[in-house]
Amino acid sequence: EPEVTQTPSHQVTQMGQEVILRCVPISNHLYFYWYRQILGQKVEFLVSFYNNEISEKSEIFDDQFSVERPDGSNFTLKIRSTKLEDSAMYFCASSVRGKGLGQDEQFFGPGTRLTVL
Amino acid sequence: DQQVKQNSPSLSVQEGRISILNCDYTNSMFDYFLWYKKYPAEGPTFLISISSIKDKNEDGRFTVFLNKSAKHLSLHIVPSQPGDSAVYFCAASAPNFGNEKLTFGTGTRLTIIP
Repeated sequence: EPEVTQTPSHQVTQMGQEVILRCVPISNHLYFYWYRQILGQKVEFLVSFYNNEISEKSEIFDDQFSVERPDGSNFTLKIRSTKLEDSAMYFCASSVRGKGLGQDEQFFGPGTRLTVL
Repeated sequence: DQQVKQNSPSLSVQEGRISILNCDYTNSMFDYFLWYKKYPAEGPTFLISISSIKDKNEDGRFTVFLNKSAKHLSLHIVPSQPGDSAVYFCAASAPNFGNEKLTFGTGTRLTIIP
């Protein structure tokens, strides 16, 4: 069964360093997302991406964050200068349909645990 | 921002009995609702969804009920099995308004007692 994959599973970095989290969405999916879950808190939306551009972003997704689909399979989240409060589980998700084409479930990857020291 | 609420942080149910997990929402724009199951150190796994035009959707042991007037939905699992022990998240979106992002509740930890 097709699944969303994410690498690495765990990333440890120093405050101020750049990190890139990688995701491979399900191959026929058109809509991609990043969410995060800080320990003990709920899963929060960061950004959605469709047709090679950001569709929507939350207040969390400030100038330190960026997303990219560098090729036909990968979808990346970059944090330019990490802060202690960026420590969280980051989940990538994808869905079949594009914006405005109806309701569709999102399938999540296993997550990357980011630890900022 | 508590647009989606799960007021029970935990629930214990005997194996074979029915598990009922509840979720309330406040945003009237939400028109699509989903339940996800999550094990530790894994991503949320999609279980079942319901559109706002329906009041019930069933898939095997899982049934989701939606009460739009009360802004309430519930997930019924029957019969409950030990493998159902996990954290269950309710989520909502407004795709017919062009908003596919999911807003999650805080989760309910379900424990099935053998």
